[in-house]
Amino acid sequence: QQPVQSPQAVILREGEDAVINCSSSKALYSVHWYRQKHGEAPVFLMILLKGGEQKGHDKISASFNEKKQQSSLYLTASQLSYSGTYFCGTEIGEYGNKLVFGAGTILRVKS
Amino acid sequence: DVKVTQSSRYLVKRTGEKVFLECVQDMDHENMFWYRQDPGLGLRLIYFSYDVKMKEKGDIPEGYSVSREKKERFSLILESASTNQTSMYLCASSFRGPPPDTQYFGPGTRLTVL
Repeated sequence: QQPVQSPQAVILREGEDAVINCSSSKALYSVHWYRQKHGEAPVFLMILLKGGEQKGHDKISASFNEKKQQSSLYLTASQLSYSGTYFCGTEIGEYGNKLVFGAGTILRVKS
Repeated sequence: DVKVTQSSRYLVKRTGEKVFLECVQDMDHENMFWYRQDPGLGLRLIYFSYDVKMKEKGDIPEGYSVSREKKERFSLILESASTNQTSMYLCASSFRGPPPDTQYFGPGTRLTVL
C-alpha cells in the first residue's frame, strides 16, 4: 500500500519553512526521504528508523511517529536549491530492502 | 562516489518489440531495483533482486521480466512492448539490510512506445 504524502504541492518564498507529511496504513520499520530535481535521479536525504535513530542531511530534519505510522520532513529557511519533488519511501519489513514510495510532493521555492 | 548507470537516457520503440534496459552499479551492492515513474504516481517497484540470479516481484511486474547474471548488472526486459509501458524507468541499488541502507539511483531511461 502506497503511503500518502501531503501536501501534493507547495510554493514558498526563500526563507520560509515547509513541512511535508508521509502517512502509512501499515506499521513501519523505517522511512526514507528522497529529493528529485527536474530531469535528475532521486537523491537520498534521510532515513528514520523504528526506535528513533536518524541518519541524514544536516540542513533538513525529520520526525517519525511509529504509533501513528507517520513521518514529517521539515525544511527550514528554504533556499532556491530546495526546489524539487520530495518522496517518502516506507519499509514494513526488517530486512532493509524493499521500499514503497509515495506519489511525491512538489516543492517550488521562489526568490 | 557510487555510480549507477543506465544504458540509454532516451529510447523509442514500436509496439510488440522486445526491449532491454540495462543497469550497472559499481559499489558491490547486493540489492538492485527497477522502478517505473509516472506523473502523480511516484516510484513504483517493478522487480527487485537481492543476489545474483535471485529476484522478487514488486508491485507492478506484469509485462516485465528481469535478469541478473552478474552482481553489478540488472536488466529489465519488456517481452512485447505496449504503449502503456511508455514511462520513465529508474534503476537503483543498495546494500542488503538490515539495517536499511540508502538506495542510489541511476539517471533514468525515458522509454516511448509507439
